[in-house]
Amino acid sequence: KAGVTQTPRYLIKTRGQQVTLSCSPISGHRSVSWYQQTPGQGLQFLFEYFSETQRNKGNFPGRFSGRQFSNSRSEMNVSTLELGDSALYLCASSLDGVLRAFFGQGTRLTVV
Amino acid sequence: AQTVTQSQPEMSVQEAETVTLSCTYDTSESDYYLFWYKQPPSRQMILVIRQEAYKQQNATENRFSVNFQKAAKSFSLKISDSQLGDAAMYFCAYRSLNTGNQFYFGTGTSLTVIP
Repeated sequence: KAGVTQTPRYLIKTRGQQVTLSCSPISGHRSVSWYQQTPGQGLQFLFEYFSETQRNKGNFPGRFSGRQFSNSRSEMNVSTLELGDSALYLCASSLDGVLRAFFGQGTRLTVV
Repeated sequence: AQTVTQSQPEMSVQEAETVTLSCTYDTSESDYYLFWYKQPPSRQMILVIRQEAYKQQNATENRFSVNFQKAAKSFSLKISDSQLGDAAMYFCAYRSLNTGNQFYFGTGTSLTVIP
């Protein structure tokens, strides 16, 4: 059974640009959550999607958005990138958002 | 909001010895889950062990066990017979059943295993 796949693994962008990250959950999982990991703030929740609907949202500015497709794959978009957006972005999938969550290897975003 | 505190930024243990990682949390809820996740250099978060708050019995998974003290809001992880592969960052996490399903993570404990 394939695990959670995040693409790309690494990304370098310039301030002001926008970026899209992708997450393919484990087959059959309908919940996808996104987390930002930085040395200063640790792991912070961005949002959760379940069956194409955003079910929960963390305390991040509107520049951070996401969506989920009918096949449960999810994308996260960050517009007008800032240096502080440099982080490891982790995606987690679970069957219903409550039970055991499986994490991907993350996308390392560097904003220069 | 729920908070999770890991007061040990770094810990070390001799191979084959036992180590305990500490975690405390703050919540007013009665139903929740607690987790320990391991993050090796590969960056992928791997579930080590899970505890349901309504269960009084401490969870165990092979060499990993927890000491769950609900009244004290404490959730420590004991690793027995430590192995080199246990070296990683360990995160304690809280997950509510009532206020969204997000994880609240602690700041992590970096575990070094000395051969």
